[in-house]
Order: sequence, then structure tokens, then C-alpha cells
Amino acid sequence: AQSVTQPDIHITVSEGASLELRCNYSYGATPYLFWYVQSPGQGLQLLLKYFSGDTLVQGIKGFEAEFKRSQSSFNLRKPSVHWSDAAEYFCAVKPGYSTLTFGKGTMLLVSP
Amino acid sequence: KAGVTQTPRYLIKTRGQQVTLSCSPISGHRSVSWYQQTPGQGLQFLFEYFSETQRNKGNFPGRFSGRQFSNSRSEMNVSTLELGDSALYLCASSPNDRQGLDTYEQYFGPGTRLTVT
Repeated sequence: AQSVTQPDIHITVSEGASLELRCNYSYGATPYLFWYVQSPGQGLQLLLKYFSGDTLVQGIKGFEAEFKRSQSSFNLRKPSVHWSDAAEYFCAVKPGYSTLTFGKGTMLLVSP
Repeated sequence: KAGVTQTPRYLIKTRGQQVTLSCSPISGHRSVSWYQQTPGQGLQFLFEYFSETQRNKGNFPGRFSGRQFSNSRSEMNVSTLELGDSALYLCASSPNDRQGLDTYEQYFGPGTRLTVT
């Protein structure tokens, strides 16, 4: 069965510093890959997605993610974090016609 | 366009009761999925509907059921509630592209917070 691993439960980053959130998946073929963000009391918002093509994808709010097939990874990055980025981030994969599977999430804390 | 709406936003029920949650997708979206979110298990897929047909179902007991209406609105029902059913229930709708194919982009509602006492 496919699985998604987000190894960091919590990450604290200083405002203005760069951010990288890790995501690894386990599946034979390359699935569709997504990053979502959830603010407290809110639903999930799609940040970006990768289906095929260029392995560096740009998303909303200044986020980008890089797909690395050899590492089965899809890490999320942002060059300069803002206090409003504090939220929980979820990586998700969708292999073929199967359903969307989410990682456990990484809680991002932004310190002043 | 209005986003995905879910009603009610908060619900308190007693063990053994049943509950119905409602989801209105974004206009034009025909695919609706439901997820259960808990601190321990994270986000777990419940079911997906497309054009009134259940297309996929997650690994949940038969107490969990759903349906979709001709206007794409969806409901999910949980019968004989257990304490472990306390969770945030999220609904997401997904558009099709111009060829009618899935885009796999899911737009989530704010969720219904169900507390079972």
C-alpha cells in the first residue's frame, strides 16, 4: 500500500529564514503529488501539485516544491518565511486511480 | 465562486445516536470526497462520489455511509456513534477539465467538528 512520510512533526523557523519541509512516499510508480496547508479552524488549501514534467513546481504564497524520483521525495520550500505561514502542512499522494493519501503533517511555528 | 460549504460547523452528539453531515461543493464540481481528521490518525479517506455514484470507499465500518444528489451536494451519515468518531469531518470537491477528466485538485470546506459524548 502507498504511504506518505513527513518525518518532522514540528519545525520552528525564524521569520525571514528559509524553509524546507520534507516528504517521502512509497509507491512503485510516480504518483500525483500535492502539498496542502491547514490553518487553525480551517479546511485544507492546495499549495501546489506535481503531475509530470518540470520537477520544480511553483505554488501559491511563494512556495515551491521539487520532485526527486531517485529519492521518492517531494520537499516543500520557501526562501523567506512570514509569520502568516505558521500552520500545518500536509503532503499527499495519489497513485493512479487510487485515492488521495495524506502524510501526518508538519506543524510550522514561526518565531519573531 | 463560493467555496465548499459544510453544515453544521459544530455538532455534539451522544454515543449511540446517528448524525448526518452536509456538503455543498463548488458550483460545477461533480466530484465530492469526505475525510475524517483526528489527532491520532491524521487525515483518512472516507469515500468519494461522482455524479451520484460512489467511486471509492475507504477502510471504515459500515456505520459510515454517504450519498450524492443530482445537484452534486453530498451527505454523510454515521449511525450508532462511538466516542472514537469524534473528529473533524472534511468535505472536498474536485473539478473536471474541459475534456471531462479528473483534475485531482481538491478544494476543501472548513469541516464539521463532531464531538461524541
